[in-house]
Amino acid sequence: QQQVKQSPQSLIVQKGGISIINCAYENTAFDYFPWYQQFPGKGPALLIAIRPDVSEKKEGRFTISFNKSAKQFSLHIMDSQPGDSATYFCAASRAFGNEKLTFGTGTRLTIIP
Amino acid sequence: ETGVTQSPTHLIKTRGQQVTLRCSSQSGHNTVSWYQQALGQGPQFIFQYYREEENGRGNFPPRFSGLQFPNYSSELNVNALELDDSALYLCASSLAGPNTGELFFGEGSRLTVL
Repeated sequence: QQQVKQSPQSLIVQKGGISIINCAYENTAFDYFPWYQQFPGKGPALLIAIRPDVSEKKEGRFTISFNKSAKQFSLHIMDSQPGDSATYFCAASRAFGNEKLTFGTGTRLTIIP
Repeated sequence: ETGVTQSPTHLIKTRGQQVTLRCSSQSGHNTVSWYQQALGQGPQFIFQYYREEENGRGNFPPRFSGLQFPNYSSELNVNALELDDSALYLCASSLAGPNTGELFFGEGSRLTVL
């Protein structure tokens, strides 16, 4: 059973535009929602994370929006740059500090000039 | 500070064989988790080790087993390899405790089963 659904599967955005990736979860026990960035040939790296006690978290050009009632969260990348081209994974776990993450299927983001 | 290192980076096995993958955790980290990432998919949790004991397991059969050593390094062993075991195997280390959730991943070991 897929517990974290991610969309879109792929995304092409012009340089300077806003990239938006969405995730939905089913397990209401999830309590920690990180986003990971993965470049080809590399392991995933933590980009930004949120807990459900806040509705938004911003770090530089990256923002997570969280809607607890809808069980949805999204990643917004402002002023997207070619260096942002990568695969992005949302994830969830039952407790912060609990590293047993359930990942989404990934979004391949391509930023074009 | 060294990051998570995995070996080998690539390997090819035939169906029915056994494989051992190795991981050195990031300095100071006492917890190691293993994930399987099939092509085009997100990583799937295999198991986690803390203080040399298995501390949680995902939906993987018993032929997937692991070890953690006193220096916190770890091994993933897969017996009776099947074609569907072809994947990138990721090791991630972390520091167990409250308010510590970040996983630091290695670059993975890509296993091809023929």
